[in-house]
Formats: sequence, structure tokens, C-alpha cells
Amino acid sequence: EDQVTQSPEALRLQEGESSSLNCSYTVSGLRGLFWYRQDPGKGPEFLFTLYSAGEEKEKERLKATLTKKESFLHITAPKPEDSATYLCAVHAEGGNMLTFGGGTRLMVKP
Amino acid sequence: DSGVTQTPKHLITATGQRVTLRCSPRSGDLSVYWYQQSLDQGLQFLIQYYNGEERAKGNILERFSAQQFPDLHSELNLSSLELGDSALYFCASSFGQRHSGANVLTFGAGSRLTVL
Repeated sequence: EDQVTQSPEALRLQEGESSSLNCSYTVSGLRGLFWYRQDPGKGPEFLFTLYSAGEEKEKERLKATLTKKESFLHITAPKPEDSATYLCAVHAEGGNMLTFGGGTRLMVKP
Repeated sequence: DSGVTQTPKHLITATGQRVTLRCSPRSGDLSVYWYQQSLDQGLQFLIQYYNGEERAKGNILERFSAQQFPDLHSELNLSSLELGDSALYFCASSFGQRHSGANVLTFGAGSRLTVL
């Protein structure tokens, strides 16, 4: 069974304090790993897709990286508007569903 | 506004009742997915439709059913409701059938169901 575990569950940062969120996964064969951002009262919003170990994607203050067992979402010099829940999901071979992790709730204080 | 429209936004009902949640996908998208998000289970895939046909099924209960109509809107029917069915129900859409970086999901704002 595909499993996705995100840590920490919650993270408080001061504005400008860089950190990383972790997404560990166990799948039979990875077809893609997806990062989404979810704001309160809204649906998840797509950020990145990663396909193979060693791949990196960047968008503004966010950088996603992938290894064979985990993915990291690095946040550089975060701002209060980066506060949200970040969700990681995997698409495994043999199916067409995304398995989501429980998310990391990020709070950035000014 | 993501372009995916879900109604109603909020729904309060009693155990044993039946409700219908509606989703209009983003213009041009042919796939519709339903997800359930609860505090203890996270975001769980329920079912996918592509151009009117069921394409993938997740952990959807037998009390739940869905369909996609010729105009591509979709409805999720939840019956014999239990307290544990209280959750946010999200609809998402995409153009193609398969998940990829070029075919990502666009989520609606969700329908919050409370069963009392």
C-alpha cells in the first residue's frame, strides 16, 4: 500500500527564517510526486511535480527536491504570506490516484 | 477563483439523510475527481470520471455514488449519512485522464458537510 508521511505536522517560523518540510513516501513505483499549497477555506493549489531522484524545481522562495525515499520543500526567507498547509502527494504505477500526506501547517510570524 | 465550482459551500444535515454535492469543472477539463478531507484522515481520493465514464475508484463507501453528466458537471451522492461522514468534500478537474506535471489537478473550494 502506498504511504506518504509529512513532517513536521506544524512549523512556526519567524519571517526570514529558512527551513525545510519533509515528505517521506513508500510506493511500488513512483510516477510523480506533487506538492500543493492549501490556504484555510480553500482547495489545494498546485506547486510542483517531480519525477525522478535528483530533480529540483523552484518557484519564488520555494524549492522542491526529490530522492528515492523522500522529498523536501525548502522555504528560503519566508514571508507571512507563505503561511499555509503544504501537502505532498504521490502518483504510483498501476493506478491513477494521488495519495496525499497529512500536510505540514506552516505559520510565518512577522 | 480556480474555475472549479462546487455547491453548496456548507451543508448541515442529520444522520440517515441523503445529500448531493455538485461540481462544475474548469472550462475545457474532461476529468473530475472527488476527494474527502477530514481532520483524522487527511485528503482521501474517492472517485474519478473522465468524459462521463468512471476511470478510477478509491476508498469510496458503498453508501456514496457519483456520476458525470454530458455537460461534464459531476454530482456526488452521499446516503444514509453517519456522523463520521462530516468532512470537506473537494472536487478537482483536469484536462486529461492521467496525472502528470502537464495534467495537474485544479481544486474547487470544497463543500463542508456537517452531519448532526
